[in-house]
Amino acid sequence: DTAVSQTPKYLVTQMGNDKSIKCEQNLGHDTMYWYKQDSKKFLKIMFSYNNKELIINETVPNRFSPKSPDKAHLNLHINSLELGDSAVYFCASSQARAPSSYNEQFFGPGTRLTVL
Amino acid sequence: GENVGLHLPTLSVQEGDNSIINCAYSNSASDYFIWYKQESGKGPQFIIDIRSNMDKRQGQRVTVLLNKTVKHLSLQIAATQPGDSAVYFCAENRDSGYALNFGKGTSLLVTP
Repeated sequence: DTAVSQTPKYLVTQMGNDKSIKCEQNLGHDTMYWYKQDSKKFLKIMFSYNNKELIINETVPNRFSPKSPDKAHLNLHINSLELGDSAVYFCASSQARAPSSYNEQFFGPGTRLTVL
Repeated sequence: GENVGLHLPTLSVQEGDNSIINCAYSNSASDYFIWYKQESGKGPQFIIDIRSNMDKRQGQRVTVLLNKTVKHLSLQIAATQPGDSAVYFCAENRDSGYALNFGKGTSLLVTP
C-alpha cells in the first residue's frame, strides 16, 4: 500500500549506458514530479507532469527524458549516462499542480544512481 | 537565480530541548513556504507550511515563523526527540508557480 513507489532503489551502471527509473503513485493524484538530490543533499526540481502534460521542464540536459504513460506513472529515461548524473532521484506526486496547504507533495523513497 | 538557503548546516541538540532551524530567502515575491523532513534513506516528508500573509503557524510540537521584513523563516521543534534526527529543508513557491525551490538542508542530530 505504498503511496509513491520507485524502481529500482539502487542503480549502478557504466558511463555511456542508457537507463530508466520508474515511478508509480496510487494516490489518484494528477501531478507528478522528478527531483534530483546531489551529494550535498541539494534537492532540485527537474520535471513535472499534470495529467500527462509536461508543465515544468527545468534546465536539464536533453539526455533526460520523462515519459508519462498515464496519470499514475512518470518514468525517467536517461541516455548516455555521465559521472555527474550520479545522485538520488526522487519522484513525487500531488493532487493538483500549484503548491498549497491542500496540495502536499508526497515523495517516493528515491533511486540512488551511481555512474562508474 | 533566487536562492533559498539555511544559516546552519548542522545542529546538535539534547533530547528534550527545543530546536530552532533557520532559513533565509531572497525573493520577496515568494508567497508560500514549506518545511520538509528527510530521514536517512527516505524521501522528504511534509512537516508544516505557511503562507506569506501569516507570521506564525503551529502544528504538533512544531512552529513555523515567517519574518517577511528580513526574509527569514524558522522551524521550531519543541521537546526534541531522537526520532526528530533528520535533514530539514525549507522550500519556497515563488510567484504562485508550480515549482518548489528547496534550500540546502540542515542536519539535526538529537543526542540522548
